[in-house]
Amino acid sequence: DAGVIQSPRHEVTEMGQEVTLRCKPISGHNSLFWYRQTMMRGLELLIYFNNNVPIDDSGMPEDRFSAKMPNASFSTLKIQPSEPRDSAVYFCASSWDPGNTIYFGEGSWLTVV
Amino acid sequence: DAKTTQPPSMDCAEGRAANLPCNHSTISGNEYVYWYRQIHSQGPQYIIHGLKNNETNEMASLIITEDRKSSTLILPHATLRDTAVYYCIVRGMIKAAGNKLTFGGGTRVLVKP
Repeated sequence: DAGVIQSPRHEVTEMGQEVTLRCKPISGHNSLFWYRQTMMRGLELLIYFNNNVPIDDSGMPEDRFSAKMPNASFSTLKIQPSEPRDSAVYFCASSWDPGNTIYFGEGSWLTVV
Repeated sequence: DAKTTQPPSMDCAEGRAANLPCNHSTISGNEYVYWYRQIHSQGPQYIIHGLKNNETNEMASLIITEDRKSSTLILPHATLRDTAVYYCIVRGMIKAAGNKLTFGGGTRVLVKP
């Protein structure tokens, strides 16, 4: 079975540009998570959706970050405008219903220069 | 969610059992103990979880003390491919509070030949 699929796997962009990261959760899963990992702060939860509805976005660092889940099989995390301090690995994860095991994608490696 | 304490690093000999400790003294009755690992450049990988009984699967065994204040993850026969950062996470299962995973620093395990 396909796992959580993220794209792009790697992206290098210039400061000020818009960045869009994409995620396809595991089929049938109805909870979706976006995490960010940096050396300084480790793995941090940015936002969590259940049944396509954002439940907890307290981890979103600032208004430059936005996330959407238009349907059960697709989510985006957008950064506009991007800054060098946004350079990190962004992970998408999904689970079947709240309370079940969460499975992670392989991450999107973002570098903002 | 309750916080966990893990040693920052440990070495293990290939072929030997690796015992990874975790303290979670403030765990509450409805919180599970989850273990994930992250191999370099990959997304976190689910290993095992438990509530109060010992658990075993094809990857590892989880031993939880009777008072549930600590646990040990056992990799029965460590291989070089088990070199990774291992995260012990206490996770609340109350749906209203969400089911997010909060990662700490983890234990960096190095399996040596």
